[in-house]
Amino acid sequence: ETGVTQSPTHLIKTRGQQVTLRCSSQSGHNTVSWYQQALGQGPQFIFQYYREEENGRGNFPPRFSGLQFPNYSSELNVNALELDDSALYLCASSPGLGNQPQHFGDGTRLSIL
Amino acid sequence: AQSVSQHNHHVILSEAASLELGCNYSYGGTVNLFWYVQYPGQHLQLLLKYFSGDPLVKGIKGFEAEFIKSKFSFNLRKPSVQWSDTAEYFCAARPNTNAGKSTFGDGTTLTVKP
Repeated sequence: ETGVTQSPTHLIKTRGQQVTLRCSSQSGHNTVSWYQQALGQGPQFIFQYYREEENGRGNFPPRFSGLQFPNYSSELNVNALELDDSALYLCASSPGLGNQPQHFGDGTRLSIL
Repeated sequence: AQSVSQHNHHVILSEAASLELGCNYSYGGTVNLFWYVQYPGQHLQLLLKYFSGDPLVKGIKGFEAEFIKSKFSFNLRKPSVQWSDTAEYFCAARPNTNAGKSTFGDGTTLTVKP
């Protein structure tokens, strides 16, 4: 089965710009979560999408937004980029909201100059 | 608010040594607990999970973890580590009411010397 794939793998932006990161969930998974992992820290929950609706959000400002599409792929959009947004962005999918572990992608490394 | 603490930031062991990585969580309700491993250059992979039942859970590659509710702990153990266990290990907790809102610890880097 195809795992979680994220694109791009690396991205360099400057302050104030906007970025879109993409995630294809694992086959059969309708739930996607996004995490931000700063250097030396564990992943921090940004938000989750279930069947195209946001279903939970962490402590991130509104300039972090997302979408989920009918095929359950997802996008993370970040507006007005700040230096502190430099991090590894992880996408994880799972087959629903029940007690199933998440499967993670390799992440997108975002650097803000 | 939910939180997860991993007390060991970097652990260095020789091959065949025993491993125990500490994890404590803070949450008022029922939680699901996980250990993930991230090998160099690879994505996070699930090592083991605890949802309910037997508090001693066994995972892949000879790892096990024990859930001690009274101590809010979920420590990871392995009797004899190998060089290939060199990786970063993350403990995570999530309320059993929602699949996505996992809270992760800051990770423990394990280096196993051959």
